[in-house]
Amino acid sequence: KNEVEQSPQNLTAQEGEFITINCSYSVGISALHWLQQHPGGGIVSLFMLSSGKKKHGRLIATINIQEKHSSLHITASHPRDSAVYICAVVSGNTPLVFGKGTRLSVIA
Amino acid sequence: DGGITQSPKYLFRKEGQNVTLSCEQNLNHDAMYWYRQDPGQGLRLIYYSQIVNDFQKGDIAEGYSVSREKKESFPLTVTSAQKNPTAFYLCASSIRGVETQYFGPGTRLLVL
Repeated sequence: KNEVEQSPQNLTAQEGEFITINCSYSVGISALHWLQQHPGGGIVSLFMLSSGKKKHGRLIATINIQEKHSSLHITASHPRDSAVYICAVVSGNTPLVFGKGTRLSVIA
Repeated sequence: DGGITQSPKYLFRKEGQNVTLSCEQNLNHDAMYWYRQDPGQGLRLIYYSQIVNDFQKGDIAEGYSVSREKKESFPLTVTSAQKNPTAFYLCASSIRGVETQYFGPGTRLLVL
């Protein structure tokens, strides 16, 4: 079974800072997801990627398949970015395997 | 509006009692999932269903049961056999064969 590790576990940043959250996994995958969970508990999907890089607004996700590693970057961070960010991977027809999440707090 | 609804938002269970968590979706998705989330832990899969009248156990199915009689509904029963049911439960759905999942708002279950 794939092991998914995220770092850091917790992150506090000042508004405007550039933020990086990392995800590594142990077994080859067909796709990787980045999810955002807000304090109320609801989860939204941010990105699904299998290679390269994707950008949506101030969020950028990259993946290096050879190194089994992905990063989520947030540019010009804002307090509304405060949430738990979760990495999840899938291999073939197996269900998603989730990391434990990174709790981000952005202070004004 | 299309989406996934879960009810109730909070649920209290007495010792030895079975409780059922509701999950409904109007997205016309074939696949539905139940996850459990504990503090400091990643989401863990309880059960999933890829088609009506069929479902498979996930990593932590013991003490839980599900049914999938209708495409739009996938209720989860937490039985008295589940000794540590206090957790946050999330339901999700997806188009079969497509990996992006859409999540419901969750139900927080507390044992009295």
